[in-house]
Amino acid sequence: LAKTTQPISMDSYEGQEVNITCSHNNIATNDYITWYQQFPSQGPRFIIQGYKTKVTNEVASLFIPADRKSSTLSLPRVSLSDTAVYYCLVPEGDDKIIFGKGTRLHILP
Amino acid sequence: SAVISQKPSRDICQRGTSLTIQCQVDSQVTMMFWYRQQPGQSLTLIATANQGSEATYESGFVIDKFPISRPNLTFSTLTVSNMSPEDSSIYLCSVEVVQGEETQYFGPGTRLLVL
Repeated sequence: LAKTTQPISMDSYEGQEVNITCSHNNIATNDYITWYQQFPSQGPRFIIQGYKTKVTNEVASLFIPADRKSSTLSLPRVSLSDTAVYYCLVPEGDDKIIFGKGTRLHILP
Repeated sequence: SAVISQKPSRDICQRGTSLTIQCQVDSQVTMMFWYRQQPGQSLTLIATANQGSEATYESGFVIDKFPISRPNLTFSTLTVSNMSPEDSSIYLCSVEVVQGEETQYFGPGTRLLVL
């Protein structure tokens, strides 16, 4: 079983900010949190990774509270092309990751 | 990051046959992984393939069904043996890149249909 829990699906509208929260209550001290995006018929694409506080890149921001038991992926001003499945992942040990069901994000016009 | 290619990108096979999927990465990596993604499902880890050692298989996956080779630091193969329609899936390889923290990057996947 994956070490993370996230909503199964979310809907939003173009131009909105979307926040997807992930729970990882059993995260280990040294674990980083990684988010991937997957479009149909493609492999998962790395979006962002963080350890604590806030990380921002050209695609998204990642907010991690002090206890690190959750994290929030923030997508600013989404467009239709952001419709995808988003996976939140933490390592399982031995450097492997186990995928949960992810969050199916559907952007509406 | 890493650029990963897979061959074939897709195939249609008859039951009882075997298919070997190749994964090539543009840089030397220690850890490579093979995943399966059945239609509408999340990814399931099949095995971890480190160069110079036997692959480590996850529960529910065995070497006789999914033999893996890892001859060098940039290449791996996964064979799906004695295929049945239940093996119809997307098979993806990934590599771990260490740049401070460890990050996995994924190939485009191989879409397999078994008739």
